[in-house]
Amino acid sequence: DAGVTQSPTHLIKTRGQQVTLRCSPKSGHDTVSWYQQALGQGPQFIFQYYEEEERQRGNFPDRFSGHQFPNYSSELNVNALLLGDSALYLCASSLGRDSRYFGPGTRLTVL
Amino acid sequence: GQQVMQIPQYQHVQEGEDFTTYCNSSTTLSNIQWYKQRPGGHPVFLIQLVKSGEVKKQKRLTFQFGEAKKNSSLHITATQTTDVGTYFCADTSGTYKYIFGTGTRLKVLA
Repeated sequence: DAGVTQSPTHLIKTRGQQVTLRCSPKSGHDTVSWYQQALGQGPQFIFQYYEEEERQRGNFPDRFSGHQFPNYSSELNVNALLLGDSALYLCASSLGRDSRYFGPGTRLTVL
Repeated sequence: GQQVMQIPQYQHVQEGEDFTTYCNSSTTLSNIQWYKQRPGGHPVFLIQLVKSGEVKKQKRLTFQFGEAKKNSSLHITATQTTDVGTYFCADTSGTYKYIFGTGTRLKVLA
């Protein structure tokens, strides 16, 4: 039984570029939440997807957008990258609202 | 807005010593979860506390939820090098998002 998977593991981009990160939830889970974790800080909630719709959003600009597919996998898109977007991006999945299962994350570096 | 603070920010202990991290919220919590994140890793769920004054134990780890449900603690007895990492509490009250604390980074010296 695979857990939460994310791709890619690492990514390097330059300012102004766009990036897409991917997440496959744990088998049987239908809800995906995305978090940003800057170095030395706790994860910050970006948004949650359920039934292919954004259910709740944290305090992130519209440059951050997402999508959930019929198979429950999800993408996080970030446009017009800033240096401050450099972080570990975590995906958490759940069946229902208890999103306690985190994936290994994607380390994004913006130069 | 709501804040979840943890103290201390860092803690270095000798192997075999005890360790405690405290989590304090500016608002009353419905539930709280604790996570451990190893260096270079991702948060791993440890436990959830729901009831006022609740105490739960997992081997050498003891978790407490305050009577007023505004604070919580994690205590590790006789630390081992495998306990190294950052411990986060997370407010999981009400809505779909989790609000993570600032974390306590534990280093265990052999």
